[in-house]
Amino acid sequence: AQSVSQHNHHVILSEAASLELGCNYSYGGTVNLFWYVQYPGQHLQLLLKYFSGDPLVKGIKGFEAEFIKSKFSFNLRKPSVQWSDTAEYFCAVIISSNTGKLIFGQGTTLQVKP
Amino acid sequence: NAGVTQTPKFRILKIGQSMTLQCTQDMNHNYMYWYRQDPGMGLKLIYYSVGAGITDKGEVPNGYNVSRSTTEDFPLRLELAAPSQTSVYFCATYRVEDNSPLHFGNGTRLTVT
Repeated sequence: AQSVSQHNHHVILSEAASLELGCNYSYGGTVNLFWYVQYPGQHLQLLLKYFSGDPLVKGIKGFEAEFIKSKFSFNLRKPSVQWSDTAEYFCAVIISSNTGKLIFGQGTTLQVKP
Repeated sequence: NAGVTQTPKFRILKIGQSMTLQCTQDMNHNYMYWYRQDPGMGLKLIYYSVGAGITDKGEVPNGYNVSRSTTEDFPLRLELAAPSQTSVYFCATYRVEDNSPLHFGNGTRLTVT
């Protein structure tokens, strides 16, 4: 069965530190990939998405992600985090050649200390 | 446009009761999804639909049923509520042709006691 794994469950960083959150999926075909963020008490919002083309995708708020097909990975990065980045981050995958099944990873809680 | 409308926002059920969570969208999106969100577990896919008349099980379908008689509506039915179904439920839509991101409803917080 398809799955999405986020290896870091809880990450604590100081402001200005660099961030990398891992995301791996298990499916050998064409995929569409997303990163969502959920700030405390709010709904999910899209950070960035990958459908095709340049595997390095830039999103909002200085986030970027790199799709590495050979590693089935779509890791999220930010060079310098801010206290306001404290939130929960979700990776999601849709199997575009399949029947539209869209599944999420279990999420990573990021805590940024001022 | 209203987007994705979920009702109710909150509900308390007793064990064994049934209810329907409503989801309606006015964006003509073909794909619709039901997720539940539990702390530390992320979002789990319950059921999804790629168009009217077509539904498929997701990761955690047991205890739930859905129907998709129209493009706009995708109700989620709980037949015999159990405490394990206490969760926050989200409906979402997606239009593959537009490569648009998921559009979420505001969620339904359900408590089963």
